[in-house]
Amino acid sequence: SQKIEQNSEALNIQEGKTATLTCNYTNYSPAYLQWYRQDPGRGPVFLLLIRENEKEKRKERLKVTFDTTLKQSLFHITASQPADSATYLCALVSWKLIFGAGTRLAVHP
Amino acid sequence: GAVVSQHPSWVICKSGTSVKIECRSLDFQATTMFWYRQFPKQSLMLMATSNEGSKATYEQGVEKDKFLINHASLTLSTLTVTSAHPEDSSFYICSARPPQGGDETQYFGPGTRLLVL
Repeated sequence: SQKIEQNSEALNIQEGKTATLTCNYTNYSPAYLQWYRQDPGRGPVFLLLIRENEKEKRKERLKVTFDTTLKQSLFHITASQPADSATYLCALVSWKLIFGAGTRLAVHP
Repeated sequence: GAVVSQHPSWVICKSGTSVKIECRSLDFQATTMFWYRQFPKQSLMLMATSNEGSKATYEQGVEKDKFLINHASLTLSTLTVTSAHPEDSSFYICSARPPQGGDETQYFGPGTRLLVL
């Protein structure tokens, strides 16, 4: 069956450290993978897109990797700040978006 | 640019009543709009895809007679939850795709929290 799994329900890290979130999928062959940020009671906000032929993408303190052999994407936030605390969703793109359940990140001062 | 709004942001209604939620693309025309539902601590689940001027396409398990979708213009789609029940309480989010956007392009609204008593 098709599945998208994001690691652990909540990730707690200290300010300044690098947060690493994982997205694993099975039985999909997405052309793209996206990462979104969602704050409580709000809609998702697009962060980054990575294509199947790209290994890595960066945007400011964010970095995404995409390994189609492992069927995994890693999302990194370097020099994390309390303002980065939110839920981060990965989404596979076929003809529609298929979302993971998200990982809640809490960055503590 | 690429702003999508939803109205209302939250609504409380009695069981058995109908609730209409609006989704508007404010600064672009959206040929395709999507409606999602999200239960607490769960992922966004696509309910239906609507194309302007045609009938919506519903995902498996979503009752089209209960969740009425109207995409009457290139900037407005509405979702009506008919005869709402407590189990319909959820967070409803729409997204919109501009004509030049590919499968990966969707701009999300802020969501509408529905509570059915």
